[in-house]
Amino acid sequence: KAGVTQTPRYLIKTRGQQVTLSCSPISGHRSVSWYQQTPGQGLQFLFEYFSETQRNKGNFPGRFSGRQFSNSRSEMNVSTLELGDSALYLCASSLEQGAPLYFGPGTRLTVT
Amino acid sequence: AQKVTQAQTEISVVEKEDVTLDCVYETRDTTYYLFWYKQPPSGELVFLIRRNSFDEQNEISGRYSWNFQKSTSSFNFTITASQVVDSAVYFCALSVRGSSNTGKLIFGQGTTLQVKP
Repeated sequence: KAGVTQTPRYLIKTRGQQVTLSCSPISGHRSVSWYQQTPGQGLQFLFEYFSETQRNKGNFPGRFSGRQFSNSRSEMNVSTLELGDSALYLCASSLEQGAPLYFGPGTRLTVT
Repeated sequence: AQKVTQAQTEISVVEKEDVTLDCVYETRDTTYYLFWYKQPPSGELVFLIRRNSFDEQNEISGRYSWNFQKSTSSFNFTITASQVVDSAVYFCALSVRGSSNTGKLIFGQGTTLQVKP
């Protein structure tokens, strides 16, 4: 089976812009989660989608949003980018609650 | 609240040495899952193992072994006869059951392991 894929792998944006990141889960996985990884804060949970519904959300401002499509693919959007949004954004998919999360290679976002 | 602590920030060993990575977790829930992930320089988190709170059996997989002790809330990871390819950041993570916790892993800060030839 193909693993989790994320596009783009690298992105450079300017403060104030918005960005959309894409994630395709492992075939058959209906749960998709997003995480932000920074040197200072480590790995932090953003949100989780299942069957096109957001089931859980981390402690991030409303500028961070996401959605999931009927084919389980997911996108996350960050509006009005700030310098502090520079991070590695990781997408993960899983079969069910408590099951292992399988992560994609991530999208490295740099905000200048 | 849940928390995972990996007290060792960095560990450096010489190839073929054994090394243990410590993980201590906190949760009041009785049903939970513990995980270890490896993050090589490429950045992708690689799943290594999952343990549920009702299964305290230790596990061995090749050179890797895991020791889960509920009495001390620890889930330690040992690499036997380390190799240069083991160099990576290792994360311990906790997942708690419940509708408000779906998809959410609570990660420790990670331990950077450097294996020198």
